[in-house]
Amino acid sequence: GAGVSQSPRYKVAKRGQDVALRCDPISGHVSLFWYQQALGQGPEFLTYFQNEAQLDKSGLPSDRFFAERPEGSVSTLKIQRTQQEDSAVYLCASSFPRFGPPYNEQFFGPGTRLTVL
Amino acid sequence: EDQVTQSPEALRLQEGESSSLNCSYTVSGLRGLFWYRQDPGKGPEFLFTLYSAGEEKEKERLKATLTKKESFLHITAPKPEDSATYLCAVQAGYKGGSEKLVFGKGTKLTVNP
Repeated sequence: GAGVSQSPRYKVAKRGQDVALRCDPISGHVSLFWYQQALGQGPEFLTYFQNEAQLDKSGLPSDRFFAERPEGSVSTLKIQRTQQEDSAVYLCASSFPRFGPPYNEQFFGPGTRLTVL
Repeated sequence: EDQVTQSPEALRLQEGESSSLNCSYTVSGLRGLFWYRQDPGKGPEFLFTLYSAGEEKEKERLKATLTKKESFLHITAPKPEDSATYLCAVQAGYKGGSEKLVFGKGTKLTVNP
């Protein structure tokens, strides 16, 4: 597809369950980012990859959060032992086309809304 | 620490009533300042990138400007379809810095017919 896609769009989890959120970036984009957006707030950075290398994970709130991008394309954000405070929209973005001008605008997917009961 | 503050938090306009949204920032070397539009239930949609003080960019009824400390998003003769939350973000440009964006909380714009 032409844009960033994320799945699932909605996820309801019971407290203590593990969840996995998937992101398909724009084809050919080198950089991939994860952000967390609470209701009424701006997105907050979690982590980012350049190809398969995780270059910055300073925004991950705890060691329950883990992200990977093993082949430099699709990425998965995993949250273990979910807590109520993890309820938020998780946004994925990609940037830097591998070929062409080095535009660093980040293009966002629709997000996954996670609700932890 | 890089920081972005947007004002006002919410703005109500009548159709055709022009106004401006403000984004104040502090950053360790600015690589770029970004404006996004976000509709309810959707991801942010890219609008503009500004790189240096004095730069201006336009798109339809929107015009973004940049100084060394703030950016403005001017909306001329808005229409109801311009109603959305407008987000401002900065990307730091210091050597070895992350590509991450630091966002403000946004301005929720409502344009009444």
